[in-house]
Amino acid sequence: AQKITQTQPGMFVQEKEAVTLDCTYDTSDPSYGLFWYKQPSSGEMIFLIYQGSYDQQNATEGRYSLNFQKARKSANLVISASQLGDSAMYFCAMRESLQGAQKLVFGQGTRLTINP
Amino acid sequence: DTEVTQTPKHLVMGMTNKKSLKCEQHMGHRAMYWYKQKAKKPPELMFVYSYEKLSINESVPSRFSPECPNSSLLNLHLHALQPEDSALYLCASSQARGFGTDTQYFGPGTRLTVL
Repeated sequence: AQKITQTQPGMFVQEKEAVTLDCTYDTSDPSYGLFWYKQPSSGEMIFLIYQGSYDQQNATEGRYSLNFQKARKSANLVISASQLGDSAMYFCAMRESLQGAQKLVFGQGTRLTINP
Repeated sequence: DTEVTQTPKHLVMGMTNKKSLKCEQHMGHRAMYWYKQKAKKPPELMFVYSYEKLSINESVPSRFSPECPNSSLLNLHLHALQPEDSALYLCASSQARGFGTDTQYFGPGTRLTVL
């Protein structure tokens, strides 16, 4: 069975600093996809970034980048130049493909607080 | 446009009430999902519809009844709920390719309180 582990329940970072949120995964499937979502206190899950298992380069989306280390089964999210609006819950997730649809397996999440 | 809409935003209901949650997307996605999220926990998958057919039911109690009238709409009918069913209910949609950059996009959720 697929499993996602986020070992940091909470992180506190000063504004404008870079922050790394850890995510490790376990799967026996050679083809998989990894996602990061942000959930502010309002509740909506906001898609941030995607990394495929066969992607040769680390994914980047604006201030977000993914440090993908396949051999170590880690997919850490890096946020550069953090902003107050980055304060939220962050979830790492792995896709399990079933019958054309997909099931996301989520980690427990990391609550990020950006201090001014 | 990656918008998924959900109504209502908040819902308070008694244990004997019948209510429905609604979800809509206009991205041409063919897979739609219902998740339940308790406070400080990750979302838990409840149901998946693929091409308007129920493809996954994660052993959800029968007091939750999903419906997919067409490819853009997803309903969750609620009946005889328990206080422990109080949670944030999230709807999501995806292209239903099941591989590559097929991404689930979520709505803002409905906060349900069962009294």
